[in-house]
Amino acid sequence: DAGVIQSPRHEVTEMGQEVTLRCKPISGHDYLFWYRQTMMRGLELLIYFNNNVPIDDSGMPEDRFSAKMPNASFSTLKIQPSEPRDSAVYFCASWAPQEPFTQYFGPGTRLTVL
Amino acid sequence: DAKTTQPTSMDCAEGRAANLPCNHSTISGNEYVYWYRQIHSQGPQYIIHGLKNNETNEMASLIITEDRKSSTLILPHATLRDTAVYYCIVRPLTTDSWGKLQFGAGTQVVVTP
Repeated sequence: DAGVIQSPRHEVTEMGQEVTLRCKPISGHDYLFWYRQTMMRGLELLIYFNNNVPIDDSGMPEDRFSAKMPNASFSTLKIQPSEPRDSAVYFCASWAPQEPFTQYFGPGTRLTVL
Repeated sequence: DAKTTQPTSMDCAEGRAANLPCNHSTISGNEYVYWYRQIHSQGPQYIIHGLKNNETNEMASLIITEDRKSSTLILPHATLRDTAVYYCIVRPLTTDSWGKLQFGAGTQVVVTP
């Protein structure tokens, strides 16, 4: 398996623009997680899905952030409008309830909002 | 609430064993100890996990004290590629927490030649 795939790997945009991050989980994994990592706050869970349904979005910072999972092989995290404080590395991870019961992380998307 | 306590940083000489401590004094009976590492600019990577027995795999060994209040991750022969932030996480495997991980600050390990 190719692992969790994220695109783009790097995104530079200007304040106010819409940003869409994409994730393809490992085939057969029915849980998908979105994390954000910054120097100040470390690695934070934003939202996670089970069988394409959002289960817990309590970590989503505000209404400017939205996430969808239209099917088992694709998810998006959208920020509109983007702000400089959204600059971070965004990771997607997927998981299946089987040994070793671990999440597998993608390579991340480094977002810079100017 | 911080469930684990780890040193902020550690240095290790290449070729030597690296012993990374983690304190989890409030661990519950159904909580596992998981270790991950994050190499710069990459996503976190699973290393090993255990409940109460010591565990070993191709990457590392995990030693859990009898009272389960602390553990040690052992990298038997550290290489420069082991330079990373190492996270110790305790988590239950219950249906209301499937897969959720809470990362602390971790330990920055620097392996030097």
